[in-house]
Amino acid sequence: EVQLVQSGAEVKKPGESLKISCKGSGYSFTSYWIGWVRQMPGKGLEWMGIIYPGDSDTRYSPSFQGQVTISADKSISTAYLQWSSLKASDTAMYYCARSPDSKEYCSGGSCSIDYWGQGTLVTVSS
Amino acid sequence: DIQMTQSPSSLSASVGDRVTITCRASQGISNYLAWFQQKPGKAPKSLIYAASSLQSGVPSKFSGSGSGTDFTLTISSLQPEDFATYYCQQYNSYPWTFGQGTKVEIK
Repeated sequence: EVQLVQSGAEVKKPGESLKISCKGSGYSFTSYWIGWVRQMPGKGLEWMGIIYPGDSDTRYSPSFQGQVTISADKSISTAYLQWSSLKASDTAMYYCARSPDSKEYCSGGSCSIDYWGQGTLVTVSS
Repeated sequence: DIQMTQSPSSLSASVGDRVTITCRASQGISNYLAWFQQKPGKAPKSLIYAASSLQSGVPSKFSGSGSGTDFTLTISSLQPEDFATYYCQQYNSYPWTFGQGTKVEIK
């Protein structure tokens, strides 16, 4: 059974750093892209970026480029989303999601999503 | 970026109703269109990919159609568990973009 299990809720202060995780199981982690999606309170879904754990090939949305870093550790089947200096506006639920399509399809963006993680709530407040 | 516009933003319907949600892309996206369902406090669930293909385990009361710029999601007979917010998403090219969502409420 494919599962994406995310790390728990975080409460941080502005300016602090943070790294949240998404652990994949039930499939070959290195062969499927993992993306990240933000959902601010009461709002819709926003795509942040995606990584291919096999070789760490990464794509970012221009809206999030330079604001976050996406990485993966294939030895422990885990993808990460990190911030170096959080802002109050980073308060949101963050979801990871898997694409079942090939590396080639996702390289240009033409790949779908099948499984989602349960979400990690990040609260940034002084 | 490709803009995705859903209509309506919300709708009220009764159990047993047939419901249709529309999604329009600002430029042609072939059939690179997905639909997701999200219930309050839960992660999104993938329903449809490639505009009309059901994800594994999704009941056949859900169907999708369209190509190019205009797409629809239809729920053939609305059940209590279908009351949720539905999002479309284009994956023709990066950056992926989502519609603003359609909230389906009980009449």
